[in-house]
Amino acid sequence: GENVEQHPSTLSVQEGDSAVIKCTYSDSASNYFPWYKQELGKGPQLIIDIRSNVGEKKDQRIAVTLNKTAKHFSLHITETQPEDSAVYFCAASETSYDKVIFGPGTSLSVIP
Amino acid sequence: DAGVIQSPRHEVTEMGQEVTLRCKPISGHNSLFWYRQTMMRGLELLIYFNNNVPIDDSGMPEDRFSAKMPNASFSTLKIQPSEPRDSAVYFCASSFTGTTSTYEQYFGPGTRLTVT
Repeated sequence: GENVEQHPSTLSVQEGDSAVIKCTYSDSASNYFPWYKQELGKGPQLIIDIRSNVGEKKDQRIAVTLNKTAKHFSLHITETQPEDSAVYFCAASETSYDKVIFGPGTSLSVIP
Repeated sequence: DAGVIQSPRHEVTEMGQEVTLRCKPISGHNSLFWYRQTMMRGLELLIYFNNNVPIDDSGMPEDRFSAKMPNASFSTLKIQPSEPRDSAVYFCASSFTGTTSTYEQYFGPGTRLTVT
């Protein structure tokens, strides 16, 4: 089955700097790659997603890139703000159904 | 819409007791997921329903765990008997599954289970 790895496990950046989180997946048939943000005491919430027919997608300060050949995808957050501090999960969807496999998460801290 | 509703939000029980967690998915969604989150194992998918039918329960840890979805608006996850290692936050999520596409999963606030 699908296996998703994520790096780094923790990331600390200064406010205003950029943050990059990288993920790899194992199943070349996966075609849907969402990113979730989890704030303390809450459930994960989708922030952006990308499908395999697109190489890059951007939404304001957040962008995702996908390299299907290498089976890796990344989340880029620019001009980070303290409210970006949270745990971020990448995920990949198996093609049989919409079962989504999550990576282990990255704890992002934005220092004011 | 109220989002995915889970109850209780917190549950403390003694080892050996039965625990039932409840979930009400978003109206109109046809897929429902139960996840378990711990520091050691991260976010694990336990079981997945589509149109009230269990599709994949390969993540259910053992026979002590069972899940049901009697109708489109209600699901339960039961642990009997509970053990201390079951302590975790349990999330329910729902989504709409089309014939060819995968859509966003909406997570509930979770149930924090502590088994002493």
